[in-house]
Amino acid sequence: DAKTTQPNSMESNEEEPVHLPCNHSTISGTDYIHWYRQLPSQGPEYVIHGLTSNVNNRMASLAIAEDRKSSTLILHRATLRDAAVYYCIHAGLNYGGSQGNLIFGKGTKLSVKP
Amino acid sequence: DTAVSQTPKYLVTQMGNDKSIKCEQNLGHDTMYWYKQDSKKFLKIMFSYNNKELIINETVPNRFSPKSPDKAHLNLHINSLELGDSAVYFCASSTPGGRDNEQFFGPGTRLTVL
Repeated sequence: DAKTTQPNSMESNEEEPVHLPCNHSTISGTDYIHWYRQLPSQGPEYVIHGLTSNVNNRMASLAIAEDRKSSTLILHRATLRDAAVYYCIHAGLNYGGSQGNLIFGKGTKLSVKP
Repeated sequence: DTAVSQTPKYLVTQMGNDKSIKCEQNLGHDTMYWYKQDSKKFLKIMFSYNNKELIINETVPNRFSPKSPDKAHLNLHINSLELGDSAVYFCASSTPGGRDNEQFFGPGTRLTVL
């Protein structure tokens, strides 16, 4: 079962920042926090991941709480193309084994209004 | 070039038939996965597989079997198809020592069992 909690849906206006929250209170010390998104009729797409420190890449920023029990994905300027379901996941490093498998929850459906 | 490809994109078949879905990745990854996304949009891991280990989600019926002719391919064979097998199936791949379990997903195969 998914071990993260996210709002079912959120709305944003185009070109405004979006903050997508996630609670992962049962995360272990070695689990990474991953974010994936799934655009309509496509496969999931990696967005960003982190362990303890905040992370930035070309797609988004990831803010991780000091106790690591929650995190926030930040889209700095939402575009229509960012409308998707966003999944927050925590997983261990040992992929190739069950620890590394991504356990997807329901995710947050983000709608972006022009 | 497509990183992870699946064929066919759509598959419509009758109950009781046997079918296969093919997956190929050209990323040089060591680990491949199959996920199932049902009508409620839940994404669930079915298998993870590398050269050394096959991990099967215990909820997957033994009518489903992954077959890997080589490191770049992981096909999904399904025997005696049932109505409940209708779903979108995604293949994915990742590499140990890479970006901490960043998985690359294929475009999906929509299976409809009549």
